[in-house]
Amino acid sequence: QVQLVESGGGVVQPGGSLRLSCAASGFTFSSYGMHWVRQAPGKGLEWVAFIRSDGSTKYYADSVKGRFTISRDNSKNTLSLQVDSLRAEDMALYYCARGYSAWSVDCWGQGTLVAVSS
Amino acid sequence: ENVLTQSPGTLSLSPGERATLSCRASQSVSSSYLAWYQQKPGQAPRLLIYAASTRATGIPDRFSGSGSGTDFTLTISRLEPEDFAVYYCQQYGSSPPGLTFGPGTKVDIK
Repeated sequence: QVQLVESGGGVVQPGGSLRLSCAASGFTFSSYGMHWVRQAPGKGLEWVAFIRSDGSTKYYADSVKGRFTISRDNSKNTLSLQVDSLRAEDMALYYCARGYSAWSVDCWGQGTLVAVSS
Repeated sequence: ENVLTQSPGTLSLSPGERATLSCRASQSVSSSYLAWYQQKPGQAPRLLIYAASTRATGIPDRFSGSGSGTDFTLTISRLEPEDFAVYYCQQYGSSPPGLTFGPGTKVDIK
């Protein structure tokens, strides 16, 4: 079955960095575009970034552009998100998610928590 | 940026009742790139509807989606106990490219 497992979250000071990872299994990873979506505690969903199946195209939310970098390694079935210059408002549960038809998202991991605190 | 507004913010209903959730976009949603998700506490979201009206795999037929342009609706024909949750709409826009989620509608037990 499709499985997405995130890791790499933690507590970081403002201005700090983290690298989030997502291990994919149960499907042909190289055939799907992938997203990162985040959710602050008690808040709604916010899309963060997208990468095409072959890594050739990347899109970012304005709120993270220039600070976050999405990448993938299709040989290792792994999606990554490098998060730099972290701010208090970046604190959230970060979900790895698989792109599906008509720009929907059909599979989600359980998330990895990023906490920003001094 | 295409902003999504969902109404009502909270819908209080009883099991067996019909739920009608609205999602309105500030600009037309191209090619019906509109999806609906359900999220329960402590869980990841689940895709219900994509392309405005197509049910995702395994979704019961009591869930239906409709609409086009700027106005979309998710209808739950008869609420089951497991349907009480938060529902989000989501659209894809090309300028700038990316996804946008609505703020959500909470369906709770009356």
